[in-house]
Amino acid sequence: QVQLQESGPGLVKPSQTLSLTCTVSGDSISSGGYYWSWIRQHPGKGLECFGYIYYTGTSYYNPSLKSRLTMSVDTSKNQFSLRLSSVTAADTAVYYCARALIGSTWYYFDYWGQGTLVTVSS
Amino acid sequence: QSVLTQPPSASGTPGQRVTISCSVSSSNIGSHTVNWYQQLPGMAPKVLIYSNNQRPSGVPDRFSGSKSGTSASLAISGLQSEDEADYYCAAWDDSLNVVFGGGTKLTVL
Repeated sequence: QVQLQESGPGLVKPSQTLSLTCTVSGDSISSGGYYWSWIRQHPGKGLECFGYIYYTGTSYYNPSLKSRLTMSVDTSKNQFSLRLSSVTAADTAVYYCARALIGSTWYYFDYWGQGTLVTVSS
Repeated sequence: QSVLTQPPSASGTPGQRVTISCSVSSSNIGSHTVNWYQQLPGMAPKVLIYSNNQRPSGVPDRFSGSKSGTSASLAISGLQSEDEADYYCAAWDDSLNVVFGGGTKLTVL
């Protein structure tokens, strides 16, 4: 059974960098066939996708977040990570990591982490 | 403002058939397929429908999807109390960015 688990600080100060890691079990990131993604949900609001990354490092970023965003993969640890710089209170949200199954004309997120709340506050 | 527009709420009684719509307002999404996710309270979303009308293994056939032009729909037949959740449509845009609708809160009366 594939499982994803987010980890990282639950509290980040404004202007600092938010860093989260997703540890994958039950599947090898480097086996290919899947992309790995970060999605967030502001309190009581909808979902926003940061983008997704392949085990080779090929990545696609949400244009609205691209200037502050870095995603990376560590195949030796079977993890992938998110870094979001210059955070503000507007970045307070539940952050999910997810696995994306992508076909020629379709995709979907088939496994998700449980989510981790990150609060931006001084 | 989301380019995928959903009604904020929907409701139905047990056994009823309900539909949730998703209107695409951007031309750079209209040609792409739509997915639907269910989010139970306090849980991560779960995919119900991908590629407009395909159900992943394990999703009951009470859930069905359709898309025509720039409009997609999720239908739930034989409504059950456990279907009370938030439902989100999602699609790729031309820059391969994933966009979600604002979500529809389904209440089972």
